[in-house]
Amino acid sequence: GQSLEQPSEVTAVEGAIVQINCTYQTSGFYGLSWYQQHDGGAPTFLSYNALDGLEETGRFSSFLSRSDSYGYLLLQELQMKDSASYFCAVGDSSYKLIFGSGTRLLVRP
Amino acid sequence: DVKVTQSSRYLVKRTGEKVFLECVQDMDHENMFWYRQDPGLGLRLIYFSYDVKMKEKGDIPEGYSVSREKKERFSLILESASTNQTSMYLCASRDRGEKLFFGSGTQLSVL
Repeated sequence: GQSLEQPSEVTAVEGAIVQINCTYQTSGFYGLSWYQQHDGGAPTFLSYNALDGLEETGRFSSFLSRSDSYGYLLLQELQMKDSASYFCAVGDSSYKLIFGSGTRLLVRP
Repeated sequence: DVKVTQSSRYLVKRTGEKVFLECVQDMDHENMFWYRQDPGLGLRLIYFSYDVKMKEKGDIPEGYSVSREKKERFSLILESASTNQTSMYLCASRDRGEKLFFGSGTQLSVL
């Protein structure tokens, strides 16, 4: 079967660093993406990794290890507005994207 | 900016009704997708289309069909709505890279 595993909930303090992990098992692999979704809003694209290593975009970084079928999203200098759900997604074909069940991040003052 | 527009934000239908959810994108993207989102289950792919008149089943196509007569429009059809199809429906289109652009969603309630 195909599955993506990520923690259901993470809590962190404003200004801290948090890491959200994602492990996957899919029939194919065409990259790992991350999306952010605020309550009542649509998911928005954050990052994409096709190759092993770290990709940095401002306060957010994303890492991939294809040999371990594992990736993570790293959020630095947390702000209250980062409270949202974060989804990892894997392309298991050139067309199809499969999403994890999401991690709800709560940032406390 | 890419815009993906879903025709309704909230929709209430009765069991057995035929329901049409419309989605339009304005960036000439070839790939379009329909997901449903339920608490604790994340986003599950219903159908996707990689070109006009081309469609592929996703993970949960039962009870749904789709139509893509024009490149910019991708419709999701519930042939006979049931209560277990009460959900948030999200349409998305994808650019030539790996980025999905989502519409604001349609919260469908089937009574």
